[in-house]
Amino acid sequence: EVQWLVSGGGLAQPGGSLTLSCAVSGFTFSSYAMTWVRQAPGKGLEWVATIRSDDTTFYADSVKGRFTISRDNSKNTLYLHLHSLRAEDTAMYYCARHYTFYYESWGQGTLVTVSS
Amino acid sequence: QTVVTQEPSFSVSPGGTVTLTCGLTSGSVSASFYPSWYQQTPGQTPRTLIYNTNSRSSGVPDRFSGSILGNKAALTITGAQADDECYYYCALYLGSGMPVFGGGTKVTVL
Repeated sequence: EVQWLVSGGGLAQPGGSLTLSCAVSGFTFSSYAMTWVRQAPGKGLEWVATIRSDDTTFYADSVKGRFTISRDNSKNTLYLHLHSLRAEDTAMYYCARHYTFYYESWGQGTLVTVSS
Repeated sequence: QTVVTQEPSFSVSPGGTVTLTCGLTSGSVSASFYPSWYQQTPGQTPRTLIYNTNSRSSGVPDRFSGSILGNKAALTITGAQADDECYYYCALYLGSGMPVFGGGTKVTVL
């Protein structure tokens, strides 16, 4: 059974930073691409970033240069480092296991609120 | 920029059938866009229902089915139940990056 432990959300000031973590078990983490998807309050789902098993990374234009996705295969953990935060980054952030053309399974979300 | 489109809302009677669609602002959807569908109750984690147009994820009941209808991808719910009342998102692989989500359809069962 796949298990997820997502953490790191909270309140940050505009221009501030946060790091989100997504620890997984129940599958061979290193073999899979992993993705972060976010959902602003009352809005739909938005892809944020993906890291492949070979550590190649991809970012949405809205976060490029501000967010960094990384992984530690020894800890079965996915990270999202958020910098230069803006009010519009306020959202629930979900991690997901990613097959090439779709998001296959999801961890629970962690809420990021950017406000002064 | 091509946008993925979905109906904002749909109503269905208990036991009835509803078909949601997923299109593009420019062009037609085919199986080569690898349509996928996700179900989300407000405040809950999304759940993957359908991938690669018509493959059901593990544990998804067969009252959910995916297809291509005309120039759009479609999700059909047959025999709608009260707990099918939630949001449904499609995603399409546009070939230049990651699958892109549509805006979501709110389904009401009443």
